[in-house]
Amino acid sequence: GENVEQHPSTLSVQEGDSAVIKCTYSDSASNYFPWYKQELGKRPQLIIDIRSNVGEKKDQRIAVTLNKTAKHFSLHITETQPEDSAVYFCAAPSSLNAGGTSYGKLTFGQGTILTVHP
Amino acid sequence: DTGVSQDPRHKITKRGQNVTFRCDPISEHNRLYWYRQTLGQGPEFLTYFQNEAQLEKSRLLSDRFSAERPKGSFSTLEIQRTEQGDSAMYLCASSLGGVVAKNIQYFGAGTRLSVL
Repeated sequence: GENVEQHPSTLSVQEGDSAVIKCTYSDSASNYFPWYKQELGKRPQLIIDIRSNVGEKKDQRIAVTLNKTAKHFSLHITETQPEDSAVYFCAAPSSLNAGGTSYGKLTFGQGTILTVHP
Repeated sequence: DTGVSQDPRHKITKRGQNVTFRCDPISEHNRLYWYRQTLGQGPEFLTYFQNEAQLEKSRLLSDRFSAERPKGSFSTLEIQRTEQGDSAMYLCASSLGGVVAKNIQYFGAGTRLSVL
């Protein structure tokens, strides 16, 4: 099955700095990589995702890069703000069908606690 | 309601009691997932349904856990003879299913279970 490792477990930055969170995965067939943000006591919310046919995707201050050869992907947050403080989870799909066009469950990383100091 | 809803939000029970949680997915979503999350960890897969069919169960799921989705809409997760180790946040998610591009999982706010 899929195994996802996430680093660092905690990350503290000053407002305006950049933050980078890295994940590795084990299943070379995985082709979809979402990132979720979870604020204290709230539901995980999808903030960005990337599919294996692209190497980078950007949405305003958030970007995700994917290296399929090395089996790792990263979340980049630029110009961090205090409201970016939360736990961030990466994930990779498991139970892919034979053609890799559909998947079942997600396997999550252990999470990164991001704290942005004003 | 445009999101995944879960009920109750919190449940406190004594060891050995049975508990049941409910999840209502986003209305047009045919896939429904249950995950468990403990403090400091990412969500851990338990089981998922496509319509009313239960397609996969985690090997970590003991026989005390059972889930149903009888009409392909809402789902229930029951834990029998609860143990202190069952204390966790139980998250439900739903998705359209099908191809990867449409299979984004949206999460509910969860049910926090405390077993005393």
